[in-house]
Amino acid sequence: QKEVEQNSGPLSVPEGAIASLNCTYSDRVSQSFFWYRQYSGKSPELIMSIYSNGDKEDGRFTAQLNKASQYVSLLIRDSQPSDSATYLCAVSNNAGNMLTFGGGTRLMVKP
Amino acid sequence: EPEVTQTPSHQVTQMGQEVILRCVPISNHLYFYWYRQILGQKVEFLVSFYNNEISEKSEIFDDQFSVERPDGSNFTLKIRSTKLEDSAMYFCASSVLGSNEKLFFGSGTQLSVL
Repeated sequence: QKEVEQNSGPLSVPEGAIASLNCTYSDRVSQSFFWYRQYSGKSPELIMSIYSNGDKEDGRFTAQLNKASQYVSLLIRDSQPSDSATYLCAVSNNAGNMLTFGGGTRLMVKP
Repeated sequence: EPEVTQTPSHQVTQMGQEVILRCVPISNHLYFYWYRQILGQKVEFLVSFYNNEISEKSEIFDDQFSVERPDGSNFTLKIRSTKLEDSAMYFCASSVLGSNEKLFFGSGTQLSVL
């Protein structure tokens, strides 16, 4: 069974700091990885996708992928209180028609 | 901005009853999905649907579940005989392309089975 693991948190950072969120996955052949943000009581919202080893930057967000270590991370620079949410790591199956989600890490950004 | 619309937002039903959850995906999207999230737990995949066929389903999606695209706009999830453990938030999602690219989620239907 494919597993995606995240520390549930909460991860508490001060406003303006860098938040670092981590995720590990069990299926070595996985190729596509996604970070979603979910506010309490709301639906997941896509932040970023990453497919290749290394870093991918989009604004204040940087996704990092290390397939050898089966590890994906998300860095949020200049964290804002509005970034306070649960961040979900998701891994696609090879057919690209199913996502396996981690349990999410709750991030709290304190003003 | 186009969005995936789900109705109703809340559904309360008695155990053993049938429920139909409705979704209107974004109009030019071709791939449709149902996920669910039990309170405090992970988002779980149920089923994906493309070209009027199920393309993938999970172990959760047993014979009690079915999906249908009855017309050009709606996508429905039917649970034939609800159980207490079916209580969850059910999310519909759609995308233009496959490969899980740019999946847009609806706001969800909270199903409570009593």
